[in-house]
Amino acid sequence: QVQLVQSGAEVKKPGASVKVSCKVSGYTLSGLSMHWVRQAPGKGLEWMGTFDPEGGETFYAQKFQGRLNMTEDTSTDTAYMELSSLRPDDSAVYFCVINLFDPWGQGTLVTVSS
Amino acid sequence: DIQMTQSPSALSASVGDRVTITCRASQDIGDLLAWFQQRPGKAPKSLIYAASILHSGVPSNFSGSGSGTDFSLTITSLQPEDFATYYCQQYSSYPVTFGGGTRVEIK
Repeated sequence: QVQLVQSGAEVKKPGASVKVSCKVSGYTLSGLSMHWVRQAPGKGLEWMGTFDPEGGETFYAQKFQGRLNMTEDTSTDTAYMELSSLRPDDSAVYFCVINLFDPWGQGTLVTVSS
Repeated sequence: DIQMTQSPSALSASVGDRVTITCRASQDIGDLLAWFQQRPGKAPKSLIYAASILHSGVPSNFSGSGSGTDFSLTITSLQPEDFATYYCQQYSSYPVTFGGGTRVEIK
């Protein structure tokens, strides 16, 4: 059974960067399409981006262009999402999810506050 | 970007009721639509993909229909565990976009 385990909660100051990890167990990360979705407190789901293993490309939502970097370490089956130039409205729970549907990680709360 | 409009944003219903949630896409997405259920404090759970195909393990009281721009999720005979927030999602093109969500509350 494939499971995703994410890194723990983070508190960051405005302007800083955060890097969230998502470790795959029960399968190999190679060939999987990992997506990242976030959810601000009390708000809906927002897709951030994905790495497409077939074409070797990353696709980011326009609003995160220039601030978002998604990487993978296939030797440890771990995906990473790094968001820079953090603002208070980046405070959210960040989820990783395989192939857009299932399974999902448990979520990582990122709080941006001075 | 493709906009996804869900309605209603919230509804109150009783156990045993039949509930229908609608989702409209701003352009034709074929059948590339999914539905998710999210309980408070939990990650979303995938219910349906390709507009009408239930994921493994999803109870048969859930069903999806539609194509093109208009879609619906129906829950027949609401169960206590079905009270949650539901989201539609289009995956026809990037960026993937979600509807605003429908909160199903106990009447």
